[in-house]
Amino acid sequence: QLQLQESGPGLVKPSETLSLTCTVSGGSISSSSYYWGWIRQPPGKGLEWIGSIYYSGSTYYNPSLKSRVTISVDTSKNQFSLKLSSVTAADTAVYYCARGGLDYWGQGTLVTVSS
Amino acid sequence: DVVMTQSPLSLPVTLGQPASISCRSSQSLVHSDGNTYLNWFQQRPGQSPRRLIYKVSNRDSGVPDRFSGSGSGTDFTLKISRVEAEDVGVYYCMQGTHWPPILTFGPGTKVDIK
Repeated sequence: QLQLQESGPGLVKPSETLSLTCTVSGGSISSSSYYWGWIRQPPGKGLEWIGSIYYSGSTYYNPSLKSRVTISVDTSKNQFSLKLSSVTAADTAVYYCARGGLDYWGQGTLVTVSS
Repeated sequence: DVVMTQSPLSLPVTLGQPASISCRSSQSLVHSDGNTYLNWFQQRPGQSPRRLIYKVSNRDSGVPDRFSGSGSGTDFTLKISRVEAEDVGVYYCMQGTHWPPILTFGPGTKVDIK
């Protein structure tokens, strides 16, 4: 059974960079034709797709976040990562990682932006 | 950009009764490959979203058959034939036809029990 697990700091200061990692178990990131993505959900609000990456490194980002987002993949660790720069309070959210078709999701991790 | 809308945004339902959620897209969701990539997700309180339906009408593994999806082009519907207590949560539609470059979610419909 495929499992995804987000990890990273739960508190980030304004103007700094948010960094999260998603570890995939029960399957290989590079052995399938899926993209792997990040989605976020501000408290009490809806879902927003952040971006996706293929194991080869090909990426697509939400245009609204593109200037601040970098998603990378480490196939040797079966992980992919999210970096979001210059964060503000508006970036406070639960961040989820998911497989491309969004058929498998991690449990989510709350990241709060606050000084 | 494709905009997804849902109605209603809040849906109080009676246990055992049917429920229906509408999802509309600002552009056709028919892909050049002939498929329509419209998915439905359920998010129970405190849980991660779970995909229920993919490509308009295909139920994911383990999804009860009281859930069904239909529609075409720009208009889609999720129906619950008989609402159970475990169906309480927020339901989102999402388009994948225009990915790349973007996946777009609807605003969500909150289903609760009257």
